[in-house]
Amino acid sequence: DTGVSQDPRHKITKRGQNVTFRCDPISEHNRLYWYRQTLGQGPEFLTYFQNEAQLEKSRLLSDRFSAERPKGSFSTLEIQRTEQGDSAMYLCASTLLPQVRSRVDTQYFGPGTRLTVL
Amino acid sequence: AQSVTQLDSHVSVSEGTPVLLRCNYSSSYSPSLFWYVQHPNKGLQLLLKYTSAATLVKGINGFEAEFKKSETSFHLTKPSAHMSDAAEYFCVVSDDTGFQKLVFGTGTRLLVSP
Repeated sequence: DTGVSQDPRHKITKRGQNVTFRCDPISEHNRLYWYRQTLGQGPEFLTYFQNEAQLEKSRLLSDRFSAERPKGSFSTLEIQRTEQGDSAMYLCASTLLPQVRSRVDTQYFGPGTRLTVL
Repeated sequence: AQSVTQLDSHVSVSEGTPVLLRCNYSSSYSPSLFWYVQHPNKGLQLLLKYTSAATLVKGINGFEAEFKKSETSFHLTKPSAHMSDAAEYFCVVSDDTGFQKLVFGTGTRLLVSP
């Protein structure tokens, strides 16, 4: 258990429905990332927050996707009008902003939310 | 842009024999490299990381990896496989942008037979 939690662990929904996932990072971590992992592939970056600011979004994040991190604590990822192609594992990771700019700190991953769109 | 290539999608070993999982990287600068492991229905766990200190990096559970700049490789090894090592392994490079997103390889599934 890394200390990053995600809820729910599994979500089954019908095409066209909206879904929302939650991530609770390690409490002192000010950086939060969302990744998506499809079957047989490695995770791919979706979006990044530093505190409450969303500073980067991947081209994978279509207009149907929105993410928030109010007050720089937990984060939510919402998918509107889900499509079958959205079926994947959605992973959240957190880390500290390094004190030394060139330093790369470890990202700690949650267990993921597996989304199945029927 | 940074990228990693995992040369084997599956590796099968017998318990007690050595493990070698191969990874080549592409980077325009000195990269930060990681190996993560993913057990079924569990989250990604960091095995080890290289961040331009010692080229031979020791990780958890007896794994180690050697950074070879001349070969652009970062292969993962373990002297003796255990049944519990069966999992998916990802070679990862950190992006060189300020927010340091991770770029994952496609993964290598390690199968360990008795």
